[in-house]
Amino acid sequence: DTAVSQTPKYLVTQMGNDKSIKCEQNLGHDTMYWYKQDSKKFLKIMFSYNNKELIINETVPNRFSPKSPDKAHLNLHINSLELGDSAVYFCASSQGGGPRGTDTQYFGPGTRLTVL
Amino acid sequence: AQSVAQPEDQVNVAEGNPLTVKCTYSVSGNPYLFWYVQYPNRGLQFLLKYITGDNLVKGSYGFEAEFNKSQTSFHLKKPSALVSDSALYFCAVRDPYGNKLVFGAGTILRVKS
Repeated sequence: DTAVSQTPKYLVTQMGNDKSIKCEQNLGHDTMYWYKQDSKKFLKIMFSYNNKELIINETVPNRFSPKSPDKAHLNLHINSLELGDSAVYFCASSQGGGPRGTDTQYFGPGTRLTVL
Repeated sequence: AQSVAQPEDQVNVAEGNPLTVKCTYSVSGNPYLFWYVQYPNRGLQFLLKYITGDNLVKGSYGFEAEFNKSQTSFHLKKPSALVSDSALYFCAVRDPYGNKLVFGAGTILRVKS
């Protein structure tokens, strides 16, 4: 029983295409996140949603658009893909967000995006 | 702004020896600190966290970490390393005004038999 799952695991596409990555968590958490891990393994937050509301939006090109249809799902849509978008994208979830939240974030297995 | 430094790109240890992976942090307010491990082609797995209380935190797989406020450090330790501990280890600090994690650059741990 996977706690945080992502699909697809691998995504290979051409520059200029539009693609989506899906994330689902069955932990009953109310906060979900997208992180990007670059080729040097550096991890950086992109977005966070709490109860379907966007609460973190880092400096990310507006080609990236997250959507949260419900608390258990957070999808990432990327328009007009560029070579520099190639990375591993991790979804995560936690119970509790905002300044008082101290709960652990649990990560999905990642989606390796390769843009050709 | 909060930040985390992992001064060693790689740590090499012989199996059975104690290991330490170093982490120092900079944050305004009380630090919420985490350690995660990433095995090749896998997601991040939570090891342990410090929120408050005892400075020595015990976590998964026999790992522990010591919070030192005066040195602003949160080093990860294990008394006896296993080959299977070989992986990439990340230290992270939680933004006290929000809920994002700020990660260090990661340290590769290699345990040789």
